[in-house]
Amino acid sequence: GAVVSQHPSWVICKSGTSVKIECRSLDFQATTMFWYRQFPKQSLMLMATSNEGSKATYEQGVEKDKFLINHASLTLSTLTVTSAHPEDSSFYICSARDGGGNTEAFFGQGTRLTVV
Amino acid sequence: DAKTTQPPSMDCAEGRAANLPCNHSTISGNEYVYWYRQIHSQGPQYIIHGLKNNETNEMASLIITEDRKSSTLILPHATLRDTAVYYCIVRVRSGGSNYKLTFGKGTLLTVNP
Repeated sequence: GAVVSQHPSWVICKSGTSVKIECRSLDFQATTMFWYRQFPKQSLMLMATSNEGSKATYEQGVEKDKFLINHASLTLSTLTVTSAHPEDSSFYICSARDGGGNTEAFFGQGTRLTVV
Repeated sequence: DAKTTQPPSMDCAEGRAANLPCNHSTISGNEYVYWYRQIHSQGPQYIIHGLKNNETNEMASLIITEDRKSSTLILPHATLRDTAVYYCIVRVRSGGSNYKLTFGKGTLLTVNP
C-alpha cells in the first residue's frame, strides 16, 4: 500500500507554545488529507478534512483557530496546535487519499503530543 | 450516515480463522464497507473494502450479505501479530467527491497462543 509519513512521532512541549505536525504522502499525490485525534482507549475522532489548495473543513466542535491546517502541496499537509494546553495532549493521526471516490485512505504512524 | 455495530471484543486461537462481524443495517446503496485495524499506538492499517460482492486479498476476506446489512471480516489463519482493534466503517460522502471515514469503537481482537 501507499506510504504516509508523519513527523515527529512524538513531541513534548510547554503550555502556551505551538506545535507543528507534518504529514507527507511519500509515493502518491494526496488530493485529500484527514486529521484525527485519539485519546487513550478511545476511537479516532475526525478533526478536519483538507484538500490541496483549499481551506480545511472542520468537524463540529473543532476550533479552527486552535488547530491550523495547511495543505499547500499534493504531498504535504501540516497541523499546527496553537497555544497548546495539557488537555490538547493526544495521539494525532493523519491520513491521505490520492483522489477519486473509490480509493482507500492510508494512515500515518501518528504523533504523540504531550503538553506539560 | 450509516452506522456500524461491532462486538467490543473477541478472542481467537493462533492459527485458527478469526471471523469479525459488523452490522450496518442502514447502509445506502452507494456506500462501501471498509475495514481497518489499529495495533496499539500505531496508525490504522487498511485491510479491505467492498460494495456488495465478496472480496479477498492477501490479508483477509470480506463477506457481505446479500441485503448488505452486515458483513464479516475473515482472517484465515490468525497470528499473534493480528491482535489489534478492528474497525468496520461505512464510507460516508462528505460533499462533492470527498469521502471521509468515521471510526466507531471497533472490535478488540486478541489472538491467543
